[in-house]
Parts: sequence; structure tokens; C-alpha cells
Amino acid sequence: KQEVTQIPAALSVPEGENLVLNCSFTDSAIYNLQWFRQDPGKGLTSLLLIQSSQREQTSGRLNASLDKSSGRSTLYIAASQPGDSATYLCAVPPGTSGSRLTFGEGTQLTVNP
Amino acid sequence: GAGVSQSPSNKVTEKGKDVELRCDPISGHTALYWYRQRLGQGLEFLIYFQGNSAPDKSGLPSDRFSAERTGESVSTLTIQRTQQEDSAVYLCASSRRDTGKLFFGSGTQLSVL
Repeated sequence: KQEVTQIPAALSVPEGENLVLNCSFTDSAIYNLQWFRQDPGKGLTSLLLIQSSQREQTSGRLNASLDKSSGRSTLYIAASQPGDSATYLCAVPPGTSGSRLTFGEGTQLTVNP
Repeated sequence: GAGVSQSPSNKVTEKGKDVELRCDPISGHTALYWYRQRLGQGLEFLIYFQGNSAPDKSGLPSDRFSAERTGESVSTLTIQRTQQEDSAVYLCASSRRDTGKLFFGSGTQLSVL
């Protein structure tokens, strides 16, 4: 059974700081890994998707890396802004199937002005 | 529409009543997922549809829960004889088979009194 852990559970940083969110998973035979953000009272927004053959993906100030062999992914946020405040979740499917994505519990990020 | 649409956005019902939640996926997305998120908790997988294949129902918590989807169109999640512990946000997501990137709806907030 795939288990996903995110550390830290919560993080508070001053505006402008660079930060790293961590995601680990127990079954390395994954098809891809996705990072999402969730704002209070809203659904999830996909940020980055890394295919199993890739090592990283970048979108603006966000960079996600994937190390399948160690079962880890990191989400790097550069020059954080108050608008980045949200809960960040990572999710992985089992093996080569797209079914039953397993989500981590999330990291609640607060960026203080 | 441009995104995943869920209705109703909010539903308040009395214990013991049946409720039906609707999800309209993005056109062309063959995969459709239902998740549940209780207050302050992570996402709990409920059911997954992929095209005309048999759905993965392994996450449905009891036989009071059922879901249907005809082809690659609208899906309905039905909860019979609702209980207070069913109170949660029910999230629907869809994706294309080739990318696996999930797009979420805004969810249905279900409150069982």
C-alpha cells in the first residue's frame, strides 16, 4: 500500500524567503508525481506534474524534483509571496496505473508580509 | 465548460436522507475521480472511473455510497441514509489518460444535521 508523508506539516516564513517542501512515498514504482495547492474552502489546483522518467519540472518560481530511488520529491518555492499562502499537497498513483492517487496530508504554508 | 463543474456547491440534509452529488468533467477527460475531505483532514479516495473500464470502487466506505458514470460524461455520487460522519467536502477530479494531470472541481460541501 502506497503511503505518502509530507514534512513539515506547517511552515511560516517571511516574505521573500526561499523554501523547500518535502514529500516522501513508500512505493517507488510510481507513474508520476503531482504537486497541488489548496486554498481554504476551495478545491485543489495542479501546480506541477513530474513523469517517472523526469527528474524535475519548473513553473515560474516553483521547481519540483523527483528521486524515485529514494522515494522523495521536493517543491522549491523561490522568493515567496503572501499569495503563496496555502496548503501544498503531493500525490502519487500506484505503479503504471493512473488510478487511486494517494495524497499526503499536506504542508500548510503561511508567508508573512 | 472550461473546468470541472460540481453541483451543488453546498448541501445541507437531515440524517437518514439520501443525497446525490454531480460532477461534470472536462470534455475529453477519460478519467474521473471522487475524493472526500473531512474538516482538517487529507483527501480520502472514494472511486475512480477510466473510460468504459470497470470502476475502482475500493475506496467507497460503505454500501450506502455508490457512483455512476456513463461513458466519459457526467458522474453522480449517491449517499443513501446519510449519517453525520458523512459531513465533508466531496471533490471530483478528471484527467486525460495520456498526461494523468488532475483537474479538480470546487467541491460540494455536505453537511448532515
